[in-house]
Amino acid sequence: DTGVSQNPRHKITKRGQNVTFRCDPISEHNRLYWYRQTLGQGPEFLTYFQNEAQLEKSRLLSDRFSAERPKGSFSTLEIQRTEQGDSAMYLCASSFAGTRIHTQYFGPGTRLTVL
Amino acid sequence: QKEVEQDPGPLSVPEGAIVSLNCTYSNSAFQYFMWYRQYSRKGPELLMYTYSSGNKEDGRFTAQVDKSSKYISLFIRDSQPSDSATYLCAMSDERGSTLGRLYFGRGTQLTVWP
Repeated sequence: DTGVSQNPRHKITKRGQNVTFRCDPISEHNRLYWYRQTLGQGPEFLTYFQNEAQLEKSRLLSDRFSAERPKGSFSTLEIQRTEQGDSAMYLCASSFAGTRIHTQYFGPGTRLTVL
Repeated sequence: QKEVEQDPGPLSVPEGAIVSLNCTYSNSAFQYFMWYRQYSRKGPELLMYTYSSGNKEDGRFTAQVDKSSKYISLFIRDSQPSDSATYLCAMSDERGSTLGRLYFGRGTQLTVWP
């Protein structure tokens, strides 16, 4: 399978704990995006990278959230001191910024439950 | 007011019906318009994309964009039970030659019953 992969698929944690998610984009894609989706809502943009550079961050991305893409391939999203309001599906998407249409392809998501 | 508005439904139709899904938006800078399908507890899957105004057809699916009215539609002909899913509209503005974030509607939940 050459699609976007995310790990873990599910994460249950206690409030106050730190969690880290990983995203592996489609291999030739140089752009990588993180979104958050809560029940009954569409995905909301968090941040994106072109290669290893983080180009844009949403105001939704509080100081407790940090994302990295150190070698321009996979990315990690860390949430520190988790809160119950962080419970959501965290989606990763990738695209190739070399053609006019930068279609974003999504992974299966990581479902986070904060108890 | 959210930048993209979409009626969440739910929408329930019999097999074979024509389904119409719609979104409105407020940002006139949006140039790229997409429809994603999302099955329960899965990631969104791209169905169609269009650039600027006009129609685009792909099999049983037709996407329409009316930029003057800030209104986009997705039509599904001969709907099948396998079309049962949540349909998300998404759009983006054009910044030079690149695209950044997508702005999503909240999704319309569709059920097609046999």
